[in-house]
Amino acid sequence: GAVVSQHPSWVICKSGTSVKIECRSLDFQATTMFWYRQFPKQSLMLMATSNEGSKATYEQGVEKDKFLINHASLTLSTLTVTSAHPEDSSFYICSARDAPGYGYTFGSGTRLTVV
Amino acid sequence: GNSVTQMEGPVTLSEEAFLTINCTYTATGYPSLFWYVQYPGEGLQLLLKATKADDKGSNKGFEATYRKETTSFHLEKGSVQVSDSAVYFCALGGGSNYKLTFGKGTLLTVNP
Repeated sequence: GAVVSQHPSWVICKSGTSVKIECRSLDFQATTMFWYRQFPKQSLMLMATSNEGSKATYEQGVEKDKFLINHASLTLSTLTVTSAHPEDSSFYICSARDAPGYGYTFGSGTRLTVV
Repeated sequence: GNSVTQMEGPVTLSEEAFLTINCTYTATGYPSLFWYVQYPGEGLQLLLKATKADDKGSNKGFEATYRKETTSFHLEKGSVQVSDSAVYFCALGGGSNYKLTFGKGTLLTVNP
């Protein structure tokens, strides 16, 4: 079945630094990828939708200059948290939609801790 | 807009008990419906899905039927196991942007 690889699975960074999270579709071409943020014991909050080769569409309230999303190819999307602060600490999950089917496959998530 | 209302937990059951997690939705058009499961510290795994009215999704003993007349997609399992302990999310997908709309999730704990 479809597999999405997300790296790293966890990262600790210092306040003010930037962190990049990668999301790769391993065996299918992902026309659309989604980035979510999940707070403890809460549901997933959609941050942005990215389509290959075009700018990401951010949800209301999400700072696009802070959460940079790049979807340069049909198999790779990246989320960069710039100038991270402790309040950015969270669980980030990507999802990819495959082109022919109507399926969504999720990555295993990245636990970001900003100290 | 689209929305999903999911039974709030937590739900605690004994092994081999019957499970129902209610899910209702509001949507325009003809969305697809999904149940995802999330184990601690992990991403979401698709449990089952249904793409049109009256479809029944099933996997690993779990079932859910797409009921358009009641706008529901309740998750059921006849006999739960300890390994089923996880958070379950009902989700709706549809529209030109293909976004998924999630319910708030239900934490299920199954005790031996």
